[in-house]
Amino acid sequence: DADVTQTPRNRITKTGKRIMLECSQTKGHDRMYWYRQDPGLGLRLIYYSFDVKDINKGEISDGYSVSRQAQAKFSLSLESAIPNQTALYFCATSDLGAFSYNEQFFGPGTRLTVL
Amino acid sequence: QKEVEQDPGPLSVPEGAIVSLNCTYSNSAFQYFMWYRQYSRKGPELLMYTYSSGNKEDGRFTAQVDKSSKYISLFIRDSQPSDSATYLCAMTTGTGNQFYFGTGTSLTVIP
Repeated sequence: DADVTQTPRNRITKTGKRIMLECSQTKGHDRMYWYRQDPGLGLRLIYYSFDVKDINKGEISDGYSVSRQAQAKFSLSLESAIPNQTALYFCATSDLGAFSYNEQFFGPGTRLTVL
Repeated sequence: QKEVEQDPGPLSVPEGAIVSLNCTYSNSAFQYFMWYRQYSRKGPELLMYTYSSGNKEDGRFTAQVDKSSKYISLFIRDSQPSDSATYLCAMTTGTGNQFYFGTGTSLTVIP
């Protein structure tokens, strides 16, 4: 089984709809992240969380919200989807280890299309 | 100015060629430098990471960091069709708070 799973894998929705993307991990990591990937723009950080009670905005948080329901679960919501939120969304996790750098492990991605 | 700049390619090479992938950056506080490989319809996977300046070798892959020039490179020797993927550079200051990614370079190795 995959260590980081995302649901759904693909979603087509309409402008104005509320959408939730879910991420679960079995790695036991404390840190979780949401990124979006766009052609020509690369991966950009939306939100991140270092533990259940910690939520931080990333580079492009406007129009998004998150919920850290448990150590293993981190969901991303689009309250009112708009077409420029069409992108590939990735969840990632990392551990708090002995060093400042910690590898991030990515899920398989959710392809979201907003019509 | 973007934190990290990477030529998106696409890059197409024959099997066996040496491939050079590069990124430049603007933040001199970056200390950790990573290369991720992303196959089509998959999430990125860490390929290599280096700390500060210098070289690191792992099999056919060599990562180089030149902090004085704010320039990092990934070299792939004896490239194989299985190396066909998008390669993303990433870097962080070491606080663990945020990674900054390049846009990715699409590589195709032709048999």
